[in-house]
Formats: sequence, C-alpha cells, structure tokens
Amino acid sequence: DAGVIQSPRHEVTEMGQEVTLRCKPISGHNSLFWYRQTMMRGLELLIYFNNNVPIDDSGMPEDRFSAKMPNASFSTLKIQPSEPRDSAVYFCASSFGGLLYNEQFFGPGTRLTVL
Amino acid sequence: GENVEQHPSTLSVQEGDSAVIKCTYSDSASNYFPWYKQELGKGPQLIIDIRSNVGEKKDQRIAVTLNKTAKHFSLHITETQPEDSAVYFCAATGNQFYFGTGTSLTVIP
Repeated sequence: DAGVIQSPRHEVTEMGQEVTLRCKPISGHNSLFWYRQTMMRGLELLIYFNNNVPIDDSGMPEDRFSAKMPNASFSTLKIQPSEPRDSAVYFCASSFGGLLYNEQFFGPGTRLTVL
Repeated sequence: GENVEQHPSTLSVQEGDSAVIKCTYSDSASNYFPWYKQELGKGPQLIIDIRSNVGEKKDQRIAVTLNKTAKHFSLHITETQPEDSAVYFCAATGNQFYFGTGTSLTVIP
C-alpha cells in the first residue's frame, strides 16, 4: 500500500486566495483526520470523519475552513479566504476501526505558506 | 476539554543512555495513550500505545508506563541510538484526541 497520500506537498499562495488540500486515505480505512502543525500551537486536530461522515469539527479554527469527504477514498480541506496565520503544515491521517482508539497513519503533510 | 502537558521540550542523551519523556493529562475519561515519533519532514508514526487497563507495556527498547491515579504516563527508551533522534509526541484520548507539545530528542553518537 502506498500509505496516506496528500497533495500538494508544498503550496505557496497570497492572502485572500482559496487553498484546497487533498488527501487519499489508506484503502480500507474508515476514519480520516485532518491536523494542523505549527511551532506555536503544535499538532491540532481540526476535524475527523468516520465512514465519510464528519463526526467532530470543533477543532476547525473558523468558518474560513471547511472539509469534505465525498467518498471513502478522498477528502479535501479548503481555506477560503486564506490568511498569513494559516501558514502551517497540514497532515491527513487515516485509521481502521474505532474512531479515536486505533493507530493513525499519517501522510507526509502539505506545507502551506500564505504570503 | 483535555490538556496534555509534555516534558521536557528538548532532551539530549549520549548514545547508549536512556531517555525518559513524561506527560500529564487532565481528563479522567481518557483511556488510550499513544506515543508518536516524527522525523524531519515526515508525518508522525505510532511507536507504542497503552490503554487504561494496563500499567506498563514494553516493545524491545521502548516502554510506556501509565499511572491513572496521578494522570501521568511516560515513555522510556533504553540503549538509545542515533536513529532515535526525532520529535516524540504523547497523546491522550477520551472524548477527544489531544497531542502533547512534543519533545525533541537528540542522541549524540
């Protein structure tokens, strides 16, 4: 298996632009997680899905952030409009079985820079 | 909500020595405690986990201990090697999932 796939690996954009991050979970996994990592705030869980349904989005910082999972093999995290403080590494992870009690497999991350 | 504190933030040890990283949590409902290792430029990877019905778990050079009464758990790495150098995160899961702030471990050859 190729593991969790994220694209793009690097994204540089200007303030106000829309940014879309993409994730393909490991085949057969039924839970998907989006994280943000910064030096100041560490690793933050933004949202997680189970069987393509958003279960908890309490970590989403504000309405500019939205996430979708249209099918079991694809998810997007969108920021619109983007701001410089959104600059971070965004990770997608997937797991099989229980929502929060099983090993999460992380993708390589997308490094986002908003100028 | 949960609050997971992790110490120390940085740790340097000589190759062959042991390393200990400690975490405390606040939510008494937390019952799953994984540890992740993150190498430079990569996503975190699970190295060991423990559930609340177990006090200690060992896997080769890595061990984790849990004290539910005191709400703290620790990662122990023995006979450290240069490839152990990375950032280590503890986490606690109850009704939510929270990572600790991370420990940057450097093993000096």
